[in-house]
Amino acid sequence: DTGVSQDPRHKITKRGQNVTFRCDPISEHNRLYWYRQTLGQGPEFLTYFQNEAQLEKSRLLSDRFSAERPKGSFSTLEIQRTEQGDSAMYLCASSPGQSFYEQYFGPGTRLTVT
Amino acid sequence: GQQVMQIPQYQHVQEGEDFTTYCNSSTTLSNIQWYKQRPGGHPVFLIQLVKSGEVKKQKRLTFQFGEAKKNSSLHITATQTTDVGTYFCAGPDNTDKLIFGTGTRLQVFP
Repeated sequence: DTGVSQDPRHKITKRGQNVTFRCDPISEHNRLYWYRQTLGQGPEFLTYFQNEAQLEKSRLLSDRFSAERPKGSFSTLEIQRTEQGDSAMYLCASSPGQSFYEQYFGPGTRLTVT
Repeated sequence: GQQVMQIPQYQHVQEGEDFTTYCNSSTTLSNIQWYKQRPGGHPVFLIQLVKSGEVKKQKRLTFQFGEAKKNSSLHITATQTTDVGTYFCAGPDNTDKLIFGTGTRLQVFP
């Protein structure tokens, strides 16, 4: 396995448009996390899945954000009606299990909202 | 909610000098993890500490977990240019997700 992959790597969109990002975790990992990272900050938790179940969503996340992991494998993160404040790096990570386990990060999707 | 703070925010050192970053949690942690993020890259796992007072070494890197399991440190001996990056600590919260620290960005001048 080559690790966690994310697609696209870069996305430029106009304010008000919808965008969708994809994450393919390491195949045997049942946990999948989404984070947002802005310049000079640490990864900020957005949501995470245990297999196909979404276990938690950040209270800071607006209703414009939604994530799915329909078959417990890949996951998608959709942002509706994008705003300039959504510009950031969106990171996906996977792990074999609970928070005790190390997380393997993907390369991220850099979103720029103009 | 749980907060994880790191100091300093930035550190510039001459190659060969030592470097230390400190991590403090607002709550007791069951374990703490350290990650390194190179400029333009993504976080990469370095190590995990579990026991109170635990010390682990990886070549020039020494990691320590505090006795009260609320703080941790990373010390790099004789820095090299390859050590450049941002170092994050992370600990689990009461809902079993990792909370990442604010990070310390290390710049090493040759």
